[in-house]
Amino acid sequence: IAGITQAPTSQILAAGRRMTLRCTQDMRHNAMYWYRQDLGLGLRLIHYSNTAGTTGKGEVPDGYSVSRANTDDFPLTLASAVPSQTSVYFCASSDTSKGSNSPLHFGNGTRLTVT
Amino acid sequence: GQQLNQSPQSMFIQEGEDVSMNCTSSSIFNTWLWYKQDPGEGPVLLIALYKAGELTSNGRLTAQFGITRKDSFLNISASIPSDVGIYFCAGLGRETSGSRLTFGEGTQLTVNP
Repeated sequence: IAGITQAPTSQILAAGRRMTLRCTQDMRHNAMYWYRQDLGLGLRLIHYSNTAGTTGKGEVPDGYSVSRANTDDFPLTLASAVPSQTSVYFCASSDTSKGSNSPLHFGNGTRLTVT
Repeated sequence: GQQLNQSPQSMFIQEGEDVSMNCTSSSIFNTWLWYKQDPGEGPVLLIALYKAGELTSNGRLTAQFGITRKDSFLNISASIPSDVGIYFCAGLGRETSGSRLTFGEGTQLTVNP
């Protein structure tokens, strides 16, 4: 089934540890995104990539890094996790080659708890 | 940056009732999107609006792109229990990249059978 796969589904992580959230899409979408979802704050963009080989900072990039070595994969890394990074993380993709206003398609999320 | 004000934050309704929620902004958007999120899942696109004044339906759902480009509403008619979830509006501004999509805070809908 075509779509976005995120892993792990959930994770409990000790503060100070490094963690990489994985995201893979099989729709050949050029653009990919990472959002975090927190109660009362909706979805906030962390980092994005408009095409393989390029990345950009979103609204809340501090403490996170991304890479886009190929079209399909867009991992999100927390170099040294802090409790404020406890959240639900969603990866998304869109095919902006069809127009800059192409809707986003979301994965099912990774629930991360930093203790 | 651009912000969206979505209301209401939550709604508790009886099965069969109609529902209305809206989003407003001080900024102009070129695209309005409405998403639904079920528990434990990612948001799923319900309706996309691309033109000011556009009125689009998807089954029992109807959404409109406001004439001023600063607002949008979503109506759900004859609600059913599976309508439960969080509904998000999202707007895309003048920037040409999808990275400029702005989300509202969401409306939590509860439908009592």
